[in-house]
Amino acid sequence: QKEVEQDPGPLSVPEGAIVSLNCTYSNSAFQYFMWYRQYSRKGPELLMYTYSSGNKEDGRFTAQVDKSSKYISLFIRDSQPSDSATYLCAMPTGGKLIFGQGTELSVKP
Amino acid sequence: GAGVSQSPSNKVTEKGKDVELRCDPISGHTALYWYRQSLGQGLEFLIYFQGNSAPDKSGLPSDRFSAERTGGSVSTLTIQRTQQEDSAVYLCASSGTGLNTEAFFGQGTRLTVV
Repeated sequence: QKEVEQDPGPLSVPEGAIVSLNCTYSNSAFQYFMWYRQYSRKGPELLMYTYSSGNKEDGRFTAQVDKSSKYISLFIRDSQPSDSATYLCAMPTGGKLIFGQGTELSVKP
Repeated sequence: GAGVSQSPSNKVTEKGKDVELRCDPISGHTALYWYRQSLGQGLEFLIYFQGNSAPDKSGLPSDRFSAERTGGSVSTLTIQRTQQEDSAVYLCASSGTGLNTEAFFGQGTRLTVV
């Protein structure tokens, strides 16, 4: 079993839809939870990070952590075509980042 | 530029040849990572350098893979006797210290072994 699991998609939604992206993890020692966004043929860029359980909001993006279920989510409201990218969850451990497989999102105009 | 720089951006090599991939991290960043991303896959951790500490090589898939970081700055990932399954995008990232410190990625080297 991988330490971090993520549905690779692809996920296709119409513009304006609410998108939910999810990851599960197995290591209860994880404390920080990150979401990276990767556009085609580019390196990943940090989108948001959270610590501990609860919600964190940044504009149209909300990151949610449920440590009791070892489950994290990223919600995108009013999705735009420019949100089309691969979204990767990541968790630091032992100094390095462990990534999920990434979910490919396509937002259709 | 101020970002992480990787070279070459693309590399096509024949099976059995050795290749070297280069990474110039952001100045002052103590941590440097190498990841591999195969088509449709997530980022597979390869190796991690932190300051003067011994590198974490736990992700290297075989002894054909090695990496070094000279002077705490530039890093080279070497793949010997390349195989077709080595074809992937090799990504380098650097960061400061701390658990929640953002890792900045380069654009990657797309390696194709023919």
